[in-house]
Amino acid sequence: QSVLTQPPSVSAAPGQKVTISCSGSSSNIGNNYVAWYQQVPGTAPKLLIYDNNKRASGIPDRFSGSKSGTSATLGITGLQTGDEANYYCGTWDSGLRAGQVFGGGSKLTVL
Amino acid sequence: QLQLQESGPGLVKPSETLSLTCTVSGASISSGGYYWGWIRQPPGKGLEWIGSVFYTGNTYYNPSLRGRVTTSVDTSKNQVSLTLTSMTAADTAVYYCARHARLTTNWFDPWGQGTLVTVSS
Repeated sequence: QSVLTQPPSVSAAPGQKVTISCSGSSSNIGNNYVAWYQQVPGTAPKLLIYDNNKRASGIPDRFSGSKSGTSATLGITGLQTGDEANYYCGTWDSGLRAGQVFGGGSKLTVL
Repeated sequence: QLQLQESGPGLVKPSETLSLTCTVSGASISSGGYYWGWIRQPPGKGLEWIGSVFYTGNTYYNPSLRGRVTTSVDTSKNQVSLTLTSMTAADTAVYYCARHARLTTNWFDPWGQGTLVTVSS
């Protein structure tokens, strides 16, 4: 199982808002920056958010990131059908087995 | 515009060694300051970091794969390479290369399109 915990699936209607959570520990999210990636099936992941809340180049402000303690959240407002994808959180884990870690991914369905 | 392209064999036999290359275009690896990472994704599953190499050649690996993995840079060819030994069916995955600016920050951008590697006899 993944070091970071995400809900397997989330859903919302077009135009609505959705949040995706990412839970970790003090050795990863608690003391390191978090990134979020969008992956449309059959394509490579694309960086959405880095350093907890900074949008990557070209990413609309409908996407936002936040972090509190050992959890992080991705928010998407004004949902569009094109937002249907898998979303992954990632961070550095500075524990005994240090390295880059990712969440298991959350499948977003726009109903 | 920076682009990354993975290449290598699509099929590897069990116990054999996988060798992949990531060709970088639109920027020079030797211009410095960046890490070049390898990440894989088994079919239908999540992302797993394999390791990263700095432009100087310094390497950093996933503890769970250390001992099997080697990464390197060839600045003359503007390429990054990955070698993974003792392949098993569990290593079947899409393998991606990606650039990141800081070793201890998860900030992979951009990514290559990925290459599917299947381990089968």
